[in-house]
This record gives sequence, C-alpha cells and structure tokens, in this order.
Amino acid sequence: EVQLVESGGGLVQPGGSLRLSCAASGFTFSSYWMSWVRQAPGKGLEWVANIKEDGSEKYYVDSVKGRFTISRDNAENSLYLQMNSLRAEDTAVYYCGRGRGADYWGQGTLVTVSS
Amino acid sequence: QTVVTQEPSLTVSPGGTVTLTCASSTGAVTSGYYPNWFQQKPGQAPRALIYNTNNKRSWTPARFSGSLLGGKAALTLSGVQPEDEAEYYCLLYYGGAWVFGGGTKLTVL
Repeated sequence: EVQLVESGGGLVQPGGSLRLSCAASGFTFSSYWMSWVRQAPGKGLEWVANIKEDGSEKYYVDSVKGRFTISRDNAENSLYLQMNSLRAEDTAVYYCGRGRGADYWGQGTLVTVSS
Repeated sequence: QTVVTQEPSLTVSPGGTVTLTCASSTGAVTSGYYPNWFQQKPGQAPRALIYNTNNKRSWTPARFSGSLLGGKAALTLSGVQPEDEAEYYCLLYYGGAWVFGGGTKLTVL
C-alpha cells in the first residue's frame, strides 16, 4: 500500500525557517518524481515544487524560488522541503505527492507563519 | 504569470451530466499540457482522478471522463451521484513547472 506521511509543520515567525519531511513507503521511491503542493486556509491548491527521481532536476513556483529547496534521500525513502525566509503568505497545509501528476497524496502538515 | 481558469461553481442534479473546463492564459490547452484532474472533499486530501488528458486512475469511477474541448481541458461527469459533490481542480504542465486551476465547486442538488 502506498503511504506518504508528512511531518515538520508548525508555528514559525516571519523570516524563520522550517524543514518539512515526507516519509514514503509501499513503492519504489527512487523510481518516481515527487512533488510538494500547498493549500492556504480556505483556498485552492498551489503546486510548489517537484524533483526528479535522481534529484538532478528541480522546479519551483516563482513565489518560492530562492527561499525553498526541495531535496530527497532515496536511501531513506524521504522527500524534504527546506523553507527559509518564511512569509505570512506561506501559511498552508503542505502535501507531498507521488509523481509529477501526484497520483497519491499524504494527509498534509500545517505550516503557520505568524508573529 | 500563467493563470489556469476553471468555473468557480457549477450545480447539477443527481443523475445528470456536467462538464467542468480548464483554460490556460497562454492559449489553447493541448495534450502537451498533460492535463490532470483532482477531487477534494472538505477536510480531506485531494484525490487524483484523471491524468494525461483522459486516462483514469485505477480507482476512478467510470462516470468520470477527461477530454479536450474547444481549446480547454474538460472533465465530464455522467450520471452524477450525491457523493460527487466536491471541489475539482485541474493541473497543467508548463515545461517543468505545473499550475493548478482555481477549482470548481460542484454542487449536486
């Protein structure tokens, strides 16, 4: 059974940093692109970033370029999102998804940026 | 800035048929945008329904179908069930990056 479990969310002050993790199981992690998608409270989905199977290609939405870094550890079956210089508008539930088309999703982790 | 546009809301009667569309600010949507469709119910994570324009996921009910229609990606629900009431999102590919539409709230009434 495919499982994706996000962790690392929480309350952080503007300008702060947070690292999100996504633990994957039930499939060959190293064979899939992986994605991060977020959803602000009461708003729609926003694609954030994705990373190729071997980590050699990464893409980001313009609003997070230079602040967020997506990475992965195929030996640990884990996906990460390092978030720096956080802003209030980054407040959202962050989901990890399998593949560029995100066929499977985790349950999400809430990030709140507030003073 | 690329914008993907969906109908904000639609209403359909049980047993009816409804088509949701997904337009790109860059022009006509083609198969090269690899349109995906997702369903989200309140308090739940999104669920993938359609990929690459018209391919169903293994769990996607037969009443859901994807297509290209008049320069847009489209999701058609035929024989709508009460449990289809949800928010629906399309996702388009732009050469590396992806962009979600704003979502369509589908009401079954």
